[in-house]
Amino acid sequence: AQRVTQPEKLLSVFKGAPVELKCNYSYSGSPELFWYVQYSRQRLQLLLRHISRESIKGFTADLNKGETSFHLKKPFAQEEDSAMYYCALSWYGGSQGNLIFGKGTKLSVKP
Amino acid sequence: DAGVTQSPTHLIKTRGQQVTLRCSPKSGHDTVSWYQQALGQGPQFIFQYYEEEERQRGNFPDRFSGHQFPNYSSELNVNALLLGDSALYLCASSFLLAATYEQYFGPGTRLTVT
Repeated sequence: AQRVTQPEKLLSVFKGAPVELKCNYSYSGSPELFWYVQYSRQRLQLLLRHISRESIKGFTADLNKGETSFHLKKPFAQEEDSAMYYCALSWYGGSQGNLIFGKGTKLSVKP
Repeated sequence: DAGVTQSPTHLIKTRGQQVTLRCSPKSGHDTVSWYQQALGQGPQFIFQYYEEEERQRGNFPDRFSGHQFPNYSSELNVNALLLGDSALYLCASSFLLAATYEQYFGPGTRLTVT
């Protein structure tokens, strides 16, 4: 069965420190992987997708099919990065299929 | 464009009752997906509607049903409510044939079953 695992419930770092939010998945085919973010009192929104290979707000994520991972990284955390982060997988052949989410990691960036 | 809107914001129901939640998609979107998010969990896919038909369904019982209208808005109905149905219900809209994949989420409806 398809599954997304985010091993850390809470990640706390100081401003300026590097951040890595871990995501592992299980899927036998070719998945599409996403990171969604939810800031306080805001709705869930897409942060980045693996096929775009883009950097959003300084965050990057590389799909490692060998390790079935899609970790989210940022070299220097900012206080405004504090939020709930969800890793998600799409399995319906990429045609706007449903998303399978991990349980989320709460990132807290301290001043 | 207000984006995806959902109503009501909060709802309190009694066990055994029925509830209807509503969703209006983002302008230009034709597909609506519903998710259930229990406390401390990630969203869990319920079902997806396109062209007024259920296109995909997650692992939810038949008590959960939906509908999509010609204007692409959608309803989620839950019958015979259980305490375990208490959750945040999220609606997400998208354009099925979009070149890039993105689902836009609404603010959610908080359902409490007592």
